[in-house]
Amino acid sequence: DGGITQSPKYLFRKEGQNVTLSCEQNLNHDAMYWYRQDPGQGLRLIYYSQIVNDFQKGDIAEGYSVSREKKESFPLTVTSAQKNPTAFYLCASTNRGQGNEKLFFGSGTQLSVL
Amino acid sequence: GENVEQHPSTLSVQEGDSAVIKCTYSDSASNYFPWYKQELGKRPQLIIDIRSNVGEKKDQRIAVTLNKTAKHFSLHITETQPEDSAVYFCAAGRLSGGYQKVTFGIGTKLQVIP
Repeated sequence: DGGITQSPKYLFRKEGQNVTLSCEQNLNHDAMYWYRQDPGQGLRLIYYSQIVNDFQKGDIAEGYSVSREKKESFPLTVTSAQKNPTAFYLCASTNRGQGNEKLFFGSGTQLSVL
Repeated sequence: GENVEQHPSTLSVQEGDSAVIKCTYSDSASNYFPWYKQELGKRPQLIIDIRSNVGEKKDQRIAVTLNKTAKHFSLHITETQPEDSAVYFCAAGRLSGGYQKVTFGIGTKLQVIP
């Protein structure tokens, strides 16, 4: 399970609370991604970052925020503005260059609302 | 943005039979089409990918075909085995500057019956 690590495995959020999901990789990958997985909806892109101190919104960024202060780390904050946060969250990373495009996924964080 | 449709959502086959999963995409500029396999409780893993300049790619029992004109691509698994049982996701998007940004389909749950 080395390479890309997500924590915690399970997380519970109270109403009005912000929570932060951790994602760390030791693969020296430049790009990192956050996906949300809901039953029957596949994986939807929340945010992605191709380089330190830069990130872009994905398809469902509302209610989420990220930072990329270090190459190895790409934490995701689920804010109180996200009204339906219960989902499985997957972090991924990839290197650049032909043949290196595959996404390496973490083991995920299951977020539930109390 | 890109829109990917995948079907069927569930598929049951007898061991040894073939399985076919089909996807369509909307953005004619998409040039990268990966397929990921997610076993129960595990992270998604790339099983095969194809670029827009190739019509077909094969890796042992797995093959992917791409029809750019019709904007559809398919995954073919021959001689299915019980360990092929999993959820399969297609994706479509662009490789740009060495990085990828893809949109996933909703997934197909494949069950191989021994």
